[in-house]
Amino acid sequence: QQPVQSPQAVILREGEDAVINCSSSKALYSVHWYRQKHGEAPVFLMILLKGGEQKGHDKISASFNEKKQQSSLYLTASQLSYSGTYFCGTETRSGNTGKLIFGQGTTLQVKP
Amino acid sequence: DTGVSQDPRHKITKRGQNVTFRCDPISEHNRLYWYRQTLGQGPEFLTYFQNEAQLEKSRLLSDRFSAERPKGSFSTLEIQRTEQGDSAMYLCASSLTGGTSYEQYFGPGTRLTVT
Repeated sequence: QQPVQSPQAVILREGEDAVINCSSSKALYSVHWYRQKHGEAPVFLMILLKGGEQKGHDKISASFNEKKQQSSLYLTASQLSYSGTYFCGTETRSGNTGKLIFGQGTTLQVKP
Repeated sequence: DTGVSQDPRHKITKRGQNVTFRCDPISEHNRLYWYRQTLGQGPEFLTYFQNEAQLEKSRLLSDRFSAERPKGSFSTLEIQRTEQGDSAMYLCASSLTGGTSYEQYFGPGTRLTVT
C-alpha cells in the first residue's frame, strides 16, 4: 500500500533539473508533496487532487496521472535550498479523510 | 507564530515507563493527525481526529498507544510501558476541512528515545 518513490537519491549541480516520481498500486484520491530537511519537520509543498491537474509555484511543479496512479514532482533550475528529502503522501479513499500514506522518500542534494 | 507546536521536543525514557506528548494545532484547524517517523523512512500514520472525535486509528498501533483531543483543540498521545522499538520522531499535523484542498501542516515533532 505504501507508494513507491523513484529515484531513491539524486545529486544535482545548481541550475540543473530533477524529476521525482511517486507510484501507487491503489486508486488515488490525492497526492501531497513535502520536503524535509535533516532534523526538521516536513514542509508542505503542494497537493494534487484526482483529475490530472498540474500545479506549481516558483520553479517547483507537479503533475498527477490518474490513469497510472502516478505523480511526478518537477524541480527546475535547482537551488541549494532545494536540498532535502522529498516525500509523497497519498490518500486512497474518496472520503476526504486526509489520512496519508507516505513513500520512503527521495533524497536530493544540490551542490554549488 | 501560529504554526503547529509540540511539547516536549525531546524525551528520553527508560523501557517500561509511560510517556505523554502534547500537540497544539493551528488554531482554526479542526483536524489533527499523529504520525511516527523512524530514521530513513517517511511518516507513518497513527491516528487522526476531527474536532474531538477520533475517527481512525492505525491497525498497526499497539494498545499501549492512546490519543485524546478532549476539547477539539490540543491533543495528547500517551505511550504506556514503552519499548525500545517505540524510539522514533512523533509528528503532529493539522488541517482544515472544507474547500477543495486540505493541506496538512506539521509540527516540529517530539523525538523519543527509549533506553
